[in-house]
Amino acid sequence: ILNVEQSPQSLHVQEGDSTNFTCSFPSSNFYALHWYRWETAKSPEALFVMTLNGDEKKKGRISATLNTKEGYSYLYIKGSQPEDSATYLCALNNAGNMLTFGGGTRLMVKP
Amino acid sequence: DTGVSQDPRHKITKRGQNVTFRCDPISEHNRLYWYRQTLGQGPEFLTYFQNEAQLEKSRLLSDRFSAERPKGSFSTLEIQRTEQGDSAMYLCASSRPGTGVAGYTFGSGTRLTVV
Repeated sequence: ILNVEQSPQSLHVQEGDSTNFTCSFPSSNFYALHWYRWETAKSPEALFVMTLNGDEKKKGRISATLNTKEGYSYLYIKGSQPEDSATYLCALNNAGNMLTFGGGTRLMVKP
Repeated sequence: DTGVSQDPRHKITKRGQNVTFRCDPISEHNRLYWYRQTLGQGPEFLTYFQNEAQLEKSRLLSDRFSAERPKGSFSTLEIQRTEQGDSAMYLCASSRPGTGVAGYTFGSGTRLTVV
């Protein structure tokens, strides 16, 4: 069983604050790491797929980095907005056919 | 194609009843997955189909659970003799063939409440 852990479990920030959270995973047999954003009452939405050590991806105010040797990925949000409030999930693909998800980080941005 | 659709969105059932959920994947996606998510947890893998073949099942999938994907198109997940512990969000996802880094496209889920 793969152990994918995310921290913190939840986070409250003020509008305009920048924030980041962590996804930790076993570094052996790494294939790809995925980040999803899941807003209440909607489908989880793909943000990034990262495959190479040192990868950095960016989408607007959201960016992510990947360290496959030590087994972690960071997700950063610059200048948080209320519409960024969601649960952020990371998921590991270890060359199998399924994704193993972490428990998620629930972000709440107060206006 | 409107994405992955799941039906119903919500289901409330009495303990001991049987329930069935449906998932319609994106038409060109040959892989279909069922996950279950409970409060405070991430989605947990239940089962996976490639076309009509059910290739993997989690040990979370007790003998009260059965999933089918006739003709490799839509899929159904049935829970027999529901228990309160079955209350969860049941997510369906599909992915395209080929690249191993293909992520999932998720449906909006079916929220099951067993009372």
